[in-house]
Amino acid sequence: DQQVKQNSPSLSVQEGRISILNCDYTNSMFDYFLWYKKYPAEGPTFLISISSIKDKNEDGRFTVFLNKSAKHLSLHIVPSQPGDSAVYFCAASLIQGAQKLVFGQGTRLTINP
Amino acid sequence: NAGVTQTPKFRVLKTGQSMTLLCAQDMNHEYMYWYRQDPGMGLRLIHYSVGEGTTAKGEVPDGYNVSRLKKQNFLLGLESAAPSQTSVYFCASRPSAKNIQYFGAGTRLSVL
Repeated sequence: DQQVKQNSPSLSVQEGRISILNCDYTNSMFDYFLWYKKYPAEGPTFLISISSIKDKNEDGRFTVFLNKSAKHLSLHIVPSQPGDSAVYFCAASLIQGAQKLVFGQGTRLTINP
Repeated sequence: NAGVTQTPKFRVLKTGQSMTLLCAQDMNHEYMYWYRQDPGMGLRLIHYSVGEGTTAKGEVPDGYNVSRLKKQNFLLGLESAAPSQTSVYFCASRPSAKNIQYFGAGTRLSVL
């Protein structure tokens, strides 16, 4: 049973436009969510996070939205740049304790010039 | 500042062989984690440690053992490797005051 799902394996967006990556979760106990970015042959790097007490968190070109009733979060990248081409993972955990992350399968984002 | 360093980067094993993957962090982080990533899947937690001398099981612990004798090192052992353990292994660490995990570059392991 996959508790965190990213249903789009890939996404292609034109440079300068908005990229929207989606993530769904099933466990209502999760109260902390993160997005990681991964380039080939490298480890995931932290991008942005949000706790369940908020519905939006913004950091420069990156904004994460959380809809708790729908158990859905999304990552918006505006404007998209070629360097944003990577695999994006969403992850969920409990904010207290050991932070055992549960990851989605990832979405490969390609930004076309 | 090296961050999280994983050794080795690549390894090929035969079924039944044993090996140890080393993770070292120089950030004085309390928490350390081992994940595996398989094609088409997200990272899955194998084992984790909340401090020196402690370890605990994650989502997929079978076939693996871990040790954290020093705060900066977290070792992942395979006693008798199986083809199902062919994967990319990632180590991560985080400080107790921050809910962000920092990852190493990964170890690609093939078991033939």
